[in-house]
Amino acid sequence: VQLVQSGAEVSKPGASVKVSCKASGYSFTGRYVHWVRRAPGQGLEWMGWINPDSGETKSARKFQGRITMTRATTTSTAYMELSGLRSGDTALYFCARAFGDSSGAYFDSWGQGTQVTVSS
Amino acid sequence: DIQMTQSPSTLSASIGDRVTITCRASQSISTWLAWYQQKPGKAPKLLIYAASYLQSGVPSRFSGSGSGTEFTLSISSLQADDFATYYCQQYDGDTAFGQGTTVDMK
Repeated sequence: VQLVQSGAEVSKPGASVKVSCKASGYSFTGRYVHWVRRAPGQGLEWMGWINPDSGETKSARKFQGRITMTRATTTSTAYMELSGLRSGDTALYFCARAFGDSSGAYFDSWGQGTQVTVSS
Repeated sequence: DIQMTQSPSTLSASIGDRVTITCRASQSISTWLAWYQQKPGKAPKLLIYAASYLQSGVPSRFSGSGSGTEFTLSISSLQADDFATYYCQQYDGDTAFGQGTTVDMK
């Protein structure tokens, strides 16, 4: 099982960033993919999930209206786009494979992380 | 939303010490709790799920216990590789993490 994320990004305030997460070694459509971030000096923060089979998504209230999660089943890749970036969005972003479903899940495999830096 | 509170925030310990970290939920989550270890700049690593089940490949010095609102992660004999930050995660519906406990060298 492997989740490989896209490379580091530097974006300006107000812009958007899109991070990819390519899965291999398991059936991509069989497991939800979640997004989690860790800002400097902060703890882990859950952002949302996507069901790669149906495309259904759910996001944390804090990110509603700013986060878009999509997937491409032909390439086993999940995407997370965050818009309206501000300095507080500077963080290391992770995708994670879930064990569970929409009623709750823990994460048994993680991507390596994508550093997103928001700076003018 | 269910809030998770870990204690302590920082714990200083020596090699060979027994270490215990506590996680409290703002309401009952049965045993829908996981524990992770994270090192700087790295992805979290799953240690424990369902409050007390050891993830495959995780050393047996790690153990978890609890149910309802109070949970603990214990390391029976701290090793050099265990200096890291530990997070609890509730997954009874929308998930949430505790704020983390950093285990550093005394």
